[in-house]
Amino acid sequence: GNSVTQMEGPVTLSEEAFLTINCTYTATGYPSLFWYVQYPGEGLQLLLKATKADDKGSNKGFEATYRKETTSFHLEKGSVQVSDSAVYFCALTPNTGNQFYFGTGTSLTVIP
Amino acid sequence: NAGVTQTPKFQVLKTGQSMTLQCAQDMNHNSMYWYRQDPGMGLRLIYYSASEGTTDKGEVPNGYNVSRLNKREFSLRLESAAPSQTSVYFCASSEARLRATNEKLFFGSGTQLSVL
Repeated sequence: GNSVTQMEGPVTLSEEAFLTINCTYTATGYPSLFWYVQYPGEGLQLLLKATKADDKGSNKGFEATYRKETTSFHLEKGSVQVSDSAVYFCALTPNTGNQFYFGTGTSLTVIP
Repeated sequence: NAGVTQTPKFQVLKTGQSMTLQCAQDMNHNSMYWYRQDPGMGLRLIYYSASEGTTDKGEVPNGYNVSRLNKREFSLRLESAAPSQTSVYFCASSEARLRATNEKLFFGSGTQLSVL
């Protein structure tokens, strides 16, 4: 089946610290992988995506690399800001059908 | 540029009451979805509609019904609300092009529902 597992939160970091949020997946075939971000009181919005092995998605200083050998798609940012405080969701959609599968979300708080 | 619009934003119901959550998208998307978000559970799919005229159950469909009224609108109905349905509900849509490999979801801003 298809599933996504991401690291438990909450995560609290100081401004300018390095961020890693781990995400691993189980899927048949070659899924597309996503990171979504949810700011307080809002819906989810796409942060970045990758559609094939070794692709690197990037946006707003965040990066994630599609690693098929380790079935992982870890989110990283070199220097977080207070404005990055949000909940981050890893997700996949398989190459057949049009369902999306989400992880449980990781809450990030960045303190000045 | 509205995207996905959900109404209402907040709702309080008593056990046994019914209500309908409305969702509309203006992006001419084929597929629409209803998710619920609960602490520690992430997003769970309730129902989805792959295209106009079709609906399918997701992971947690019990206690809900849906209607894909037309290509734009996808409503979620609670016939007899229960406290276990207290949650934040999100509608989403995607273009769902045939054999596309880089689809993404567009979300509404959510409905916070409390059932007392």
